[in-house]
Amino acid sequence: QVQLQESGPGLVKPSQTLSLTCTVSGGSISSGSHYWNWIRQPAGKGLEWIGRIYTNGHTNYNPSLKSRVTLSLDTSNSRFSLRLYSVTAADTAVYFCARAYSSGWDYFDYWGPGTLVTVSS
Amino acid sequence: SYMLTQPPSVSVAPGLTARITCGGNNIGSKRVHWYQQKPGQAPILVIYYDSDRPSGIPERFSGSNSGNTATLTISRVEAGDEADYYCQVWDLIGDHPLFGGGTKLAVL
Repeated sequence: QVQLQESGPGLVKPSQTLSLTCTVSGGSISSGSHYWNWIRQPAGKGLEWIGRIYTNGHTNYNPSLKSRVTLSLDTSNSRFSLRLYSVTAADTAVYFCARAYSSGWDYFDYWGPGTLVTVSS
Repeated sequence: SYMLTQPPSVSVAPGLTARITCGGNNIGSKRVHWYQQKPGQAPILVIYYDSDRPSGIPERFSGSNSGNTATLTISRVEAGDEADYYCQVWDLIGDHPLFGGGTKLAVL
């Protein structure tokens, strides 16, 4: 059973960088049929996809966040990371990492429990 | 850009059938996935490719997709089904996923 677990600071100051890591266990992070994602959810609101990274390191980002986001992959430690720059209060949310199955009509089959990140001074 | 529309809430009595819709222009030409999210928890995939169920999801959960509406149907609703439900498709032009706004299912 694949498991994902987010980790990182729960509080970030405005204008600073939000950094989170997702550790994958119970399955290979190098599976060719899957890729790895970050999704966030502000309190009381819906889901917003942030970006994805493939096992070859290729990335795609939500156009609305593209200028402030970087994803990276550490296959030797089965983890991938998110960096969101120049954060504001609008970036306060629960951040989920999730695995997607790549099929053309991709879906998210495993999710981490999520971690709350608050942007505040 | 493509948009998915879900009703904010649906209410149903226990034992009856709940139907949660997801509207989009010609959504029937896309493959729709559905997630259940209970308070304080991560979403769980309950339906993929319009109507397929992952292992472990009860047969009470089913899906359909045609025309401009995809539907998640929950038969014999139980109190434990109370949750937010999100539909999701793939935006082929933008090459990224799209989520509906979510529907809160209340079991009366």
